[in-house]
Parts: sequence; structure tokens; C-alpha cells
Amino acid sequence: DIQMTQSPSSLSASVGDRVTITCRASQRISRSLNWYQQKPGKVPKLLIYGASSLQGGVPSRFSGSESGTDFALTISNLQPEDFATYYCLQTYSAPWTFGQGTRVEIK
Amino acid sequence: EVHLVESGGGLVQPGGSLRLSCAASGFAFSDYWMSWVRQAPGKGLEWVANIKQDESEKYYVDSVRGRFTISRDNAKNSLYLQMNGLRAEDTAIYYCARLDYDNGWYLYYWGQGTLVTVSS
Repeated sequence: DIQMTQSPSSLSASVGDRVTITCRASQRISRSLNWYQQKPGKVPKLLIYGASSLQGGVPSRFSGSESGTDFALTISNLQPEDFATYYCLQTYSAPWTFGQGTRVEIK
Repeated sequence: EVHLVESGGGLVQPGGSLRLSCAASGFAFSDYWMSWVRQAPGKGLEWVANIKQDESEKYYVDSVRGRFTISRDNAKNSLYLQMNGLRAEDTAIYYCARLDYDNGWYLYYWGQGTLVTVSS
């Protein structure tokens, strides 16, 4: 099974900051990596698919990148509505696996 | 507009069974792979199972294989998850979701979820 190691587990940041969350896959997953945002009591929202493709309607301050088995979600110019928990998901092979999540909190 | 509505959750005793349903509308259900994802209270997301359009392929997370069965009825635009031998650790919100593909699979459309509580 493919393991996804997501870091950090939490971070504190201020509005306007640039933050980066990373996921490392235990083996090659091509670009089959999604990023989701989840707010308390809400359904997960797709931000990025295919490692770097921005889902329609998602602000351009969100971006995804890939380097081998390392994947990153970057939020530039952090906004108040971006404080949430973020998850990566590999869909390269079953069983699909989520990262452990990163909680982005207000500093 | 795509809609996915889960139902069938509730309180069940350890060792018991429950059948979740997901009613799909707004798209050609029989053309899509479908998925179940769960989230235990206060915990992260966990993928549970996928099913192909014609049920010829099904995949499960190890922790539910042999206890849970994913199925579908394309005539009724419905997805199911039969859960047997339930354990306390199966307590979670269960979401159904539609698989889409573009440079890799992804889940964009999700239902609102149904809560399953396994407790005596």
C-alpha cells in the first residue's frame, strides 16, 4: 500500500502569509494527487487535482506542485476563509490513501 | 446539478449490520465509478471503497475488506455499502462521492454524509 506522509500536522499563520503543506508518497504515484480543504462540520472541498490543476472556482492563491514523490500545496496571501484543515489524497492505486491532515490556524 | 444524498446511518451494536444508501441525481450514474469515504469523529479522512460502473471491479481499504460490500443499482441510480461485523472503530460519517478523471482520479462531488455510530 502507498503511504502518504503529510506535514506539518498543524501550523499557525497570519493573514497575508504564504504557507506550504507537503505530502510525500512512499512510492511513485505519477501526478495522481489531490488536495482538499475541510472546514468544521463541512464536506471536503477539492482544491487541486492531478498534482497541480486548480479546480474551477478555487482562488488562484492556491497552487500545487510536484517533484518526484514530493507534493506541495501552497497558499499565497492567506485569507481569513483559508483557516481550515487540508488533506492530500493519492489516487494512483488502491487502496487510496489520505494524508493525516494539516490544520491551518490563525496566529 | 449533481446531487448525492446518503441515508441509512444510525446507532448499531458491535457485531451488527447496517446498509448505507446513496441516491444520485443530476448525472448519468451508470457512467461513473463511485466511492465511499469516511471520517471518524475528530479524525481525518479515510477512503473506504470504490466500485466500477458495471460492478466488475471493487476495491476496499484493508480494515473493511471481508466485512463491508460496496454495490450499486444503476436502474435506481443508487450506491450502497453493506456493513457487517461492525466495530467501534467503524464509527464515522460516511460520504459517497463520484469519481472523475483528468490526469488522475479525483473526487469533486460529495454527499453530505450519514453518521454511523457503533456502540453498546
